[in-house]
Amino acid sequence: QKEVEQNSGPLSVPEGAIASLNCTYSDRGSQSFFWYRQYSGKSPELIMFIYSNGDKEDGRFTAQLNKASQYVSLLIRDSQPSDSATYLCAVKSSNAGGTSYGKLTFGQGTILTVHP
Amino acid sequence: EAGVAQSPRYKIIEKRQSVAFWCNPISGHATLYWYQQILGQGPKLLIQFQNNGVVDDSQLPKDRFSAERLKGVDSTLKIQPAKLEDSAVYLCASSKWAGRVSGANVLTFGAGSRLTVL
Repeated sequence: QKEVEQNSGPLSVPEGAIASLNCTYSDRGSQSFFWYRQYSGKSPELIMFIYSNGDKEDGRFTAQLNKASQYVSLLIRDSQPSDSATYLCAVKSSNAGGTSYGKLTFGQGTILTVHP
Repeated sequence: EAGVAQSPRYKIIEKRQSVAFWCNPISGHATLYWYQQILGQGPKLLIQFQNNGVVDDSQLPKDRFSAERLKGVDSTLKIQPAKLEDSAVYLCASSKWAGRVSGANVLTFGAGSRLTVL
């Protein structure tokens, strides 16, 4: 089982629709969860992070976390063509190398295409 | 605030040659990461430094890859000898620290160094 799993897609939605991106993780001790966006040929950039169960909203983006189900999702409302990118889920594990420092593990990414 | 600086941006070498990548993190960031991203995949952590000490290098192919972070600031990642499967983008990232639950452990990535091994 992969540490962090995402549907690779591609996910295609029409402009103005809600895009739903999902991610599951295997380490029950994971504490922090991140969503990064990566445009083609560019480096990942942070969209938002969450570490408490429930929803966290930032503009058109909502992250949802369910630690019992080991599931985190990202909703994009009113999707725009400029949202077309690869979305990476990243999970901070409970420790790295036996230390108290978390190790950030990425999923393989979901390709999102928003068509006009 | 200046971002994470990486060089070179692009490098083409033949297999069995060596290559080195350099990274300068954001000022004041104690944690530095090197990730390898193969086309179509998510970034894979190669090594994580806390100041100038190694926190995690469990996925670093130590027979050919090495990394150092002298004085807890700049870092260099070296590959020697390179293999075809090392063709990837090498991403350097930094964060203020690597605590488990904190916005301070948000990673900021550099532009990456794209390596092509022929």
